[in-house]
Amino acid sequence: QKEVEQNSGPLSVPEGAIASLNCTYSDRGSQSFFWYRQYSGKSPELIMSIYSNGDKEDGRFTAQLNKASQYVSLLIRDSQPSDSATYLCALSFGGATNKLIFGTGTLLAVQP
Amino acid sequence: KAGVTQTPRYLIKTRGQQVTLSCSPISGHRSVSWYQQTPGQGLQFLFEYFSETQRNKGNFPGRFSGRQFSNSRSEMNVSTLELGDSALYLCASSLEVEDEKLFFGSGTQLSVL
Repeated sequence: QKEVEQNSGPLSVPEGAIASLNCTYSDRGSQSFFWYRQYSGKSPELIMSIYSNGDKEDGRFTAQLNKASQYVSLLIRDSQPSDSATYLCALSFGGATNKLIFGTGTLLAVQP
Repeated sequence: KAGVTQTPRYLIKTRGQQVTLSCSPISGHRSVSWYQQTPGQGLQFLFEYFSETQRNKGNFPGRFSGRQFSNSRSEMNVSTLELGDSALYLCASSLEVEDEKLFFGSGTQLSVL
């Protein structure tokens, strides 16, 4: 079982809709959780971090964490074609390291 | 402020050769990590450096090595290249080793023929 699981997609949503991206993880020792966005041919870019259970909102993005269910999600409201990218879920275990474990990503396609 | 700079951008090598990739972190960032990205496996952690010391190493063979210099710049080396080493190699920097917010460079696309 992979440590971080994501549906590879593509997830196709119409412009203006809410895109919901999901991620599950296997290790209960995971401390911190991140969402990175990667456009085709570009490097990953951090868009959200979440450390405690509940919701965290930043503009059109909301990250949700449920440690009991080992589940992290990212909601993108009012999706735009410019949001079309691969979204990578990542986690870390804390301590004196910044090593991240990444999922393989979900490809999001926002249709105009 | 300049971002993470990786050189070269593209590299073509043949099996058995060795390669050295370079990474200059964001000014002031002292921690550098390396990741390998392939379509099938996604991003996989290679190693992490802070203050010229390797702090953590991923599950890669000994052919993969790296180092960090006193100015925080880092290099990674792959010896005896195999076809399966073809990948995008990404360097990421952060302020401190406990700082999990990574800033990635554009990567070096390595093709092994």
